[in-house]
Formats: sequence, structure tokens, C-alpha cells
Amino acid sequence: RKEVEQDPGPFNVPEGATVAFNCTYSNSASQSFFWYRQDCRKEPKLLMSVYSSGNEDGRFTAQLNRASQYISLLIRDSKLSDSATYLCAVNGAAGNKLTFGGGTRVLVKP
Amino acid sequence: DTEVTQTPKHLVMGMTNKKSLKCEQHMGHRAMYWYKQKAKKPPELMFVYSYEKLSINESVPSRFSPECPNSSLLNLHLHALQPEDSALYLCASSQEGAAGQFFGPGTRLTVL
Repeated sequence: RKEVEQDPGPFNVPEGATVAFNCTYSNSASQSFFWYRQDCRKEPKLLMSVYSSGNEDGRFTAQLNRASQYISLLIRDSKLSDSATYLCAVNGAAGNKLTFGGGTRVLVKP
Repeated sequence: DTEVTQTPKHLVMGMTNKKSLKCEQHMGHRAMYWYKQKAKKPPELMFVYSYEKLSINESVPSRFSPECPNSSLLNLHLHALQPEDSALYLCASSQEGAAGQFFGPGTRLTVL
């Protein structure tokens, strides 16, 4: 089993719709969690950290479920510019080591 | 300044060449990282520097040699690479501990 797993997609989303996807992790000692966005041939950009109580940043909401060992990202009112690959990243008990999931591709269409 | 810079943007080298990749950050971060990313795959961690000391080496072949001259700079020295080493090499930095990492734009390396 991979340490961090994501549905590769693609998720085809009509503009204006809501899309949500998850990321599961295997190490129950994982300390911190992040969502990154990566555009084609560009570097990953930190979208948001994921806090235990859940957190929201504009149209983006992240949740953490420690009992079931997954995090989620929800995008409301999808824009064409939201089309990208969304990578989850998990920081284990070792501190600085960040392990990435394989990414979920999201395509927002008019 | 919330930017990580990397040079060069593109690099083509032969298997007998020696080259270096450079990374710089001025965010006061004390942890810096090298990642390798192949097409349609996630970034794979290569090295972690914490307070200018190598703290993690993910069993990377010795043809890759990292160096951290100071808290703002990170280099990756390349020697005798193989064509399968062609990839996007990403540098990142973060505050110490389990903090989010900020990536540079990467160096796209092609080994002929």
C-alpha cells in the first residue's frame, strides 16, 4: 500500500459546480497535511495547510479525518482557472519529510 | 520576499559532464530540500538540509551531490548522470519542523 494515495481522476467539472476529492494516508503518526496545486510543467504551489478542525480559504475547504486517515479538498463555484493537478502532502513523525500523493487531475469545463 | 529561485531553468548535459544546479531563498527558512519529479508523477524527495546540515538522504546515487554553502543557498552537483536522470529538479524551503514547503520553479534537466 502506498503511503499517500489519491484518485488520479480526471474529475471533469462544469464551471460553477462543486468538486471534492480525498487523499488517504497510511501512517497514523503523520503530523501535518497540505494541499498543493500544480499546473502543467510548473512547480507545486502550496494551496493550503489542513488543520484538525477543518479550514476554509475562499472557495476552498480542507478537512482532516484522523480516524479514517484521510484529508479532503472541496472547491466551490469552480472556475476554469482551477483546472490543475491537486497534490496532497503528508508530513510524517520524522518532521521535515513530506510525502506526496500521486495527484488528482481536475478539469473545469465551460 | 516569498520566493525560491532556481538556476538554470533548463539544462542539457552529456553523461560525462559535470554541472551544478543552484537554489536560493530569502524567507529565513532553515530547512531546504531537493526533489526530483518525472512526468505525471509526484515530486520525490532526494535530500533535506536542516540548519545547513544534511539531515535526510533518500538513498540517492552518489552522482548527485548536495551542498548547502549557507542558510540561503542550496546546490546540487551533478556528475556522470544517466539518461534516466532526466527530470524536473525542484528545490523547496520551509520553516523548521512540520511546516509547508515552498517550491522554486525547477530546473528541467535532460541527460543525453
